[in-house]
Formats: sequence, C-alpha cells, structure tokens
Amino acid sequence: DIQMTQSPSSLSTSVGDRVIITCRASQSIDNSLNWYQQKPGKAPKLLIYAASSLQSGVPSRFSGSGSGTYFTLTISSLQPDDFATYYCQQSYSNPTFGGGTKVEIK
Amino acid sequence: QVQLQESGPGLVKPSETLSLTCAVSGYSISSGYYWGWVRQTPGKGLEWIGSMSHSGSTYYNPSLRSRVSLSVDTSKNQFSLNLRFVTAADTAVYYCARGSSGWSHLDYWGQGTLVTVSS
Repeated sequence: DIQMTQSPSSLSTSVGDRVIITCRASQSIDNSLNWYQQKPGKAPKLLIYAASSLQSGVPSRFSGSGSGTYFTLTISSLQPDDFATYYCQQSYSNPTFGGGTKVEIK
Repeated sequence: QVQLQESGPGLVKPSETLSLTCAVSGYSISSGYYWGWVRQTPGKGLEWIGSMSHSGSTYYNPSLRSRVSLSVDTSKNQFSLNLRFVTAADTAVYYCARGSSGWSHLDYWGQGTLVTVSS
C-alpha cells in the first residue's frame, strides 16, 4: 500500500490566516491526490481532486498543488466555517488516506 | 441532488457477518460511476473497504478481501456490504460513497453509520 503522511497533525490558527497543509506519498502518485474536509459527526466532503482541481461549490480560497510525492492544500484566508479536519487521499493505486490535520481556533 | 443513506444493524456479535445497505436517490446507480464503502476508526483513520462499478466489477482492499463482498440491487437502486467473521477491530463508522473517474475521488457520501462489534 502507498502510505500518505500529513503534516502537521494539528494546528491552531486564527480567522483570516493563510493555512498550508502538506501531504507526502511513500512513492510517486503523479497527480492522483484528493483533499477532503470533515467536521465532527459528518462525512468527509470533497474539496480538491486530481491535486489541483476545485470541486464544484467549494470556495475559491481552497487550492491544491503538487505532483509526484509532495502535495499541499492551501486555505488563503481562513473562515470560521473552515475549522475542521482535513484529509488527503491517493487514488493512484488501492486508495489510502492520510492521518488528518485538525485545524483549530487559536 | 444525489443522496446516499446507509442502513443496517448498529451492533454485531463477534464472528458474525456485518451487513449494510446504501440506498441511493437522485441518480440511477446502473447509469454509471463507482459505488463503495469507506470506514473510519479513531485508531486507523479512514480506510477504503471496497468499490464496484455500475456494471458490477468489484474491487476490494487486499487486507479485507477474504472477508468482504459487495453487491448491487438495481431494482431498488441500492448496494450492499457484507463483512464476515467480524471482530472488535471492525468496530467503526461505515460510510457509503460515490466515486468519480473510476474510484478516483469520492464526491457524494452517506452520513455514516456506527457499527459496534460486541457480544
């Protein structure tokens, strides 16, 4: 299985801040990388697919980049609704997820 | 609007079979896309269980393949998960989901159902 490692595992930040979450794959996955947002008691919600494509209806403050083994999710200006846990997922082979990054209020 | 809804027992005894169904509304599963299951535990996080194409081809997580089967009932527009010989390690929130571009990314999810394995 391809291992996905996210960092940081958690971060404390404020509304309006720029947030960057990283995800590393244990081998090259081209651009087969997706990002999800999950709030407590809810299912994950797709934000970004194929590394940088914004899912329909997702605000443009979310963006993704990267290829190969290194990827980032950027939130340009954090909004109150964005406090949640974020997961990366590779779809290059049998799907696997990262361990998550919890974005908390400072 | 596509909606998915899981149903099934919330408690299963060890060594028995966990059976869940996902009812789909707003889209005919025989028309396309992939359909499958993901589970989530505090310890292992999110884990892909298996998925199937609209034509019935199935794909399973190698770590679960010997115990898992997926099936579809197009007349009811629903699909199902069977996980045999469960243990406490199978206690999790189980989600059904729709996969786009194969099982590339999951664009619609059910709300999830907690299944506890305990005697």
